[in-house]
Amino acid sequence: GESVGLHLPTLSVQEGDNSIINCAYSNSASDYFIWYKQESGKGPQFIIDIRSNMDKRQGQRVTVLLNKTVKHLSLQIAATQPGDSAVYFCAENILGGDKIIFGKGTRLHILP
Amino acid sequence: DGGITQSPKYLFRKEGQNVTLSCEQNLNHDAMYWYRQDPGQGLRLIYYSQIVNDFQKGDIAEGYSVSREKKESFPLTVTSAQKNPTAFYLCASSPKPGLAGGPTASWEQYFGPGTRLTVT
Repeated sequence: GESVGLHLPTLSVQEGDNSIINCAYSNSASDYFIWYKQESGKGPQFIIDIRSNMDKRQGQRVTVLLNKTVKHLSLQIAATQPGDSAVYFCAENILGGDKIIFGKGTRLHILP
Repeated sequence: DGGITQSPKYLFRKEGQNVTLSCEQNLNHDAMYWYRQDPGQGLRLIYYSQIVNDFQKGDIAEGYSVSREKKESFPLTVTSAQKNPTAFYLCASSPKPGLAGGPTASWEQYFGPGTRLTVT
C-alpha cells in the first residue's frame, strides 16, 4: 500500500485566507518530501521540497512543515488566491530508494 | 520553450490495438519516468529509466513497455494486454537520480503536459 496519504480529499478556503494541506506518511526511513500542484488537465508542478533534517522551509507564499515525531507534513499557502485552485500532492523518497511515491492528492477549492 | 513534451494531448484507440505515447525532453536530464493517473487518484509509477538503454519496472508495469534508446526520448507503449488502459499518462524527467547526487540532491521531477488516452 501507499506510504503517503492525505487527511482530506477536498479543502474549501475563502479567498484571502490561509490554506493548510496535510499529509501523513508511515515510513520512518522517508528522507525527502516534495509538494506538487496540479491544475486541471495539466502535469504537476513543483512547489517546494524539504529534507528530513529540516522541520520548516519557506518559499514564496508557501511554507512546508515537517513533524517527524508524528510523521506529518503540511503545506501552508498564505493569502490564498483563485490561481491556487488545484490538486496538491505530497510525495516522498525513502532513503536508499530510487523513486518518489505520490499520495492521492487534496483538491483545494477557493471560495469567492 | 524548452522542457518536456508529450504528444498527442488526446489519443483515441480501439480495444486490442497497441498505442505508443511520445515523451521528449531537451533538459539534458538523465532520468525519465512514466506515470498513470486515474480520475481522483494520485500518480502511479509505470516505468522509469535512470540512464540510456536501461529501465526498471514501476508499480504497475504489466501491459506496458518502454524503450530508452536516446537520452531525450522515453516512449511508452500501451499494449493490448493492459486491461484498463483509459487514463491520463504523465511523463517526467529529473536531472539525476537523487540518490546519486548525495545528501543534498533533489528528487524534483519535471512533468510534461500529459496525454489523455481513451480506449473504446
